Amino acid sequence: AQSVTQLDSQVPVFEEAPVELRCNYSSSVSVYLFWYVQYPNQGLQLLLKYLSGSTLVKGINGFEAEFNKSQTSFHLRKPSVHISDTAEYFCAVSDRGNDMRFGAGTRLTVKP
Amino acid sequence: DAGVIQSPRHEVTEMGQEVTLRCKPISGHDYLFWYRQTMMRGLELLIYFNNNVPIDDSGMPEDRFSAKMPNASFSTLKIQPSEPRDSAVYFCASSTTSVSETQYFGPGTRLLVL
Repeated sequence: AQSVTQLDSQVPVFEEAPVELRCNYSSSVSVYLFWYVQYPNQGLQLLLKYLSGSTLVKGINGFEAEFNKSQTSFHLRKPSVHISDTAEYFCAVSDRGNDMRFGAGTRLTVKP
Repeated sequence: DAGVIQSPRHEVTEMGQEVTLRCKPISGHDYLFWYRQTMMRGLELLIYFNNNVPIDDSGMPEDRFSAKMPNASFSTLKIQPSEPRDSAVYFCASSTTSVSETQYFGPGTRLLVL
């Protein structure tokens, strides 16, 4: 079975600074990769996903992620964050079949 | 579409009482998932259904928990009897064609067992 590791539980940054949220996975098969965002008191919603093709995936709200097969990573990036990006971010991996695993989450706090 | 609908949004109950959480998935979605989120354990998959049939309930913590999906537009998660350690946010999610596709989450039910 696959697994997901989000290396940082909390990431504090100042507004307009760049941010990278790290995600590594392990799997013996080809995978689909996802980033979800959870705003306070809300459910998770999809930010972006990698299924195949270009390894650079662009999502909503200016976020992007790059699939790196050799490093088994799928880090999420944004060049300039806003206060409204404060949320919890979850990386997820699926085996393209019947299994989907979520990471423990990274709490991004954007400070003025 | 209104998205995944969950009710109630908040529930406060006393230990030993029965709790029933409800979910209406997005119309046309074949998969329905129940998750539990706590600070200590993060997001845990409890059970999922495909075409109203339970496929994997290995995440259900114990016999006090049960889930049903009597039809394509309704599912329940029941806890009987409830305990304080069941306090958490419970999410329902649905997806179209497989577990591996994008999951659409409801707003969650925040449960507090006193």
